Amino acid sequence: GEDVEQSLFLSVREGDSSVINCTYTDSSSTYLYWYKQEPGAGLQLLTYIFSNMDMKQDQRLTVLLNKKDKHLSLRIADTQTGDSAIYFCAESPDGSGNTGKLIFGQGTTLQVKP
Amino acid sequence: ETGVTQTPRHLVMGMTNKKSLKCEQHLGHNAMYWYKQSAKKPLELMFVYNFKEQTENNSVPSRFSPECPNSSHLFLHLHTLQPEDSALYLCASSQEGDSPLHFGNGTRLTVT
Repeated sequence: GEDVEQSLFLSVREGDSSVINCTYTDSSSTYLYWYKQEPGAGLQLLTYIFSNMDMKQDQRLTVLLNKKDKHLSLRIADTQTGDSAIYFCAESPDGSGNTGKLIFGQGTTLQVKP
Repeated sequence: ETGVTQTPRHLVMGMTNKKSLKCEQHLGHNAMYWYKQSAKKPLELMFVYNFKEQTENNSVPSRFSPECPNSSHLFLHLHTLQPEDSALYLCASSQEGDSPLHFGNGTRLTVT
């Protein structure tokens, strides 16, 4: 079945770059997503990448997609304490365009130390 | 005003109670969703509505009953829940087709 795997925890120092990794199983996924969840809040869409792209940059965020290895990463440049949160990787598994049926990873808790 | 609003933010209920969760979206989307977020488990899709019609029921027990009176409002009616149903219930919306989900802040439910 479909599965999305992430490491559970990452700790970095303020000002460093953070790289959060994700692997997925469904090669037919149309889009892959990164969401951020702060304490007591819902999920906030950070960025997403279409499966025919291998990179997308948006200000401090860089998404890299290796479709052959089914590997997705999110790089946050100049990480700030406000970036401390849980980051979820998600795929839309059947490529049908119904993006509501997302499969989420368990989330990576990013801790940013001052 | 946030795009997707959920009420209440917190809810404590006994196993014999009946309560409802409410979700409203102000984004003009035509699809709405209920997700369940439990500790140490990935988010689980519960229900999907497209144009007010339920298109997905992800093997959810009947003690959870969704209602979608129009494209902007979604309810989750709860009755005779179990303690293991305690979780964060997240509502989301999207345009049908290739459009990302937009989530509300969730209702933190505790069943005692």
